[in-house]
Amino acid sequence: DARVTQTPRDKVTEMGQEVTMRCQPILGHNTVFWYRQTMMQGLELLAYFRNRAPLDDSGMPKDRFSAEMPDATLATLKIQPSEPRDSAVYFCARKVPPVRTGELFFGEGSRLTVL
Amino acid sequence: AQSVTQPDIHITVSEGASLELRCNYSYGATPYLFWYVQSPGQGLQLLLKYFSGDTLVQGIKGFEAEFKRSQSSFNLRKPSVHWSDAAEYFCAVGASGGFKTIFGAGTRLFVKA
Repeated sequence: DARVTQTPRDKVTEMGQEVTMRCQPILGHNTVFWYRQTMMQGLELLAYFRNRAPLDDSGMPKDRFSAEMPDATLATLKIQPSEPRDSAVYFCARKVPPVRTGELFFGEGSRLTVL
Repeated sequence: AQSVTQPDIHITVSEGASLELRCNYSYGATPYLFWYVQSPGQGLQLLLKYFSGDTLVQGIKGFEAEFKRSQSSFNLRKPSVHWSDAAEYFCAVGASGGFKTIFGAGTRLFVKA
């Protein structure tokens, strides 16, 4: 499987700042998932895309979070403005064929700390 | 509703001892089942998966899991644990035609010498 690269791996920022996390490359069926992991909530699904269109972003706070796929090999997750409660590890994942099974291949995550 | 339950938040075993991590799922159709492992600072890595056929599946790093439909379970086992197995383990089920993957809360494994 091709690697899923997430950047930045670690980000420390101050409350109110904009944060953009990137995920690439995206291969295969162009289905991308964003998860957030915290000690308290565990692994939460924020959003998922297929062919660059959002299929479900109900898990994402709409007022400050946005997820896009600017092109077929790049997915971004933006938080503006960031808050301390956004501190978490954010994972990007893509589907592994056959897509009906739900098998995912994960990136190594972006650890976000908002002070 | 579809769900995955991992009853043990954490487990401690001695190195060389056997391991069983429990997983129960709730899903109306034939499930696609997975176990993932997460080492500190890393992403989730697939250990093994069950789609159909033989209910005992083998995975990487010497792990195996058994699908028991009657018990709605997919427990993970390893006959002899190594210190490097210390990590968090997640059970998951593929649902909604693959559009969603539902994860359990995870079980953290500690290995003592």
